[in-house]
Amino acid sequence: EVVMTQSPATLSVSPGETATLSCRASQSVYTNLAWYQQRPGQAPRLLIYASSTRAPGIPARFSASGFGTDFTLTISSLQSDDSAVYFCQQYNYWPPRTFGQGTRVEIK
Amino acid sequence: VQLLQSGGGLEQPGGSLRLSCAASGFTFESHAMSWIRQAPGLGLEWVATTRGSGGRTSYADSVTGRFTISRDNSKNTLYLQMNSLIPEDTAVYYCAKDPLYDNSWYAVFDYWGQGTLVTVSS
Repeated sequence: EVVMTQSPATLSVSPGETATLSCRASQSVYTNLAWYQQRPGQAPRLLIYASSTRAPGIPARFSASGFGTDFTLTISSLQSDDSAVYFCQQYNYWPPRTFGQGTRVEIK
Repeated sequence: VQLLQSGGGLEQPGGSLRLSCAASGFTFESHAMSWIRQAPGLGLEWVATTRGSGGRTSYADSVTGRFTISRDNSKNTLYLQMNSLIPEDTAVYYCAKDPLYDNSWYAVFDYWGQGTLVTVSS
């Protein structure tokens, strides 16, 4: 099973600033990596697939990169409704499809 | 796209429950469908996936032999039959669909149901 590890656990950022989230895989997943946003009380929402491709309707403020074992999600010009937990998910080796434990982004 | 879930609730250990997920707004039979769960305050755990047609299924080790994922393409509905429930199955369960982008299948989840709480307790 591929273990996904996210850091930091919590990130506190001021509005208008940039948040950088990390996700590391226990073995190479190439570019088979997705990112999700989960706001409180809601289902997750797909942001990014194939490591860096935005899902339809996702604003350009969300960008991502990475290959192999190390991946980054960058959220620029942070807004209040970006307050959420962000999860990464690998789909290179499945079953099982595995998620990271999440990074909570708080807006100061 | 809409995924409308039903079922769930409180069940005793050893009991059974069935979850349903009614899909609309897309060609249901063309898409793999999955169940994912989230224990209270915790992260996401993939549970099971069924391919669009042909009946191929995959399960997490934690539910293999106890849960069965199925679909009725004539009713555009996904199911999760959960037997031999244990307290560790307590979670919000989501159904979700896999996308096709440029006719390529990606094993991610682009639309999710609203979630349904399953509580296993005596």
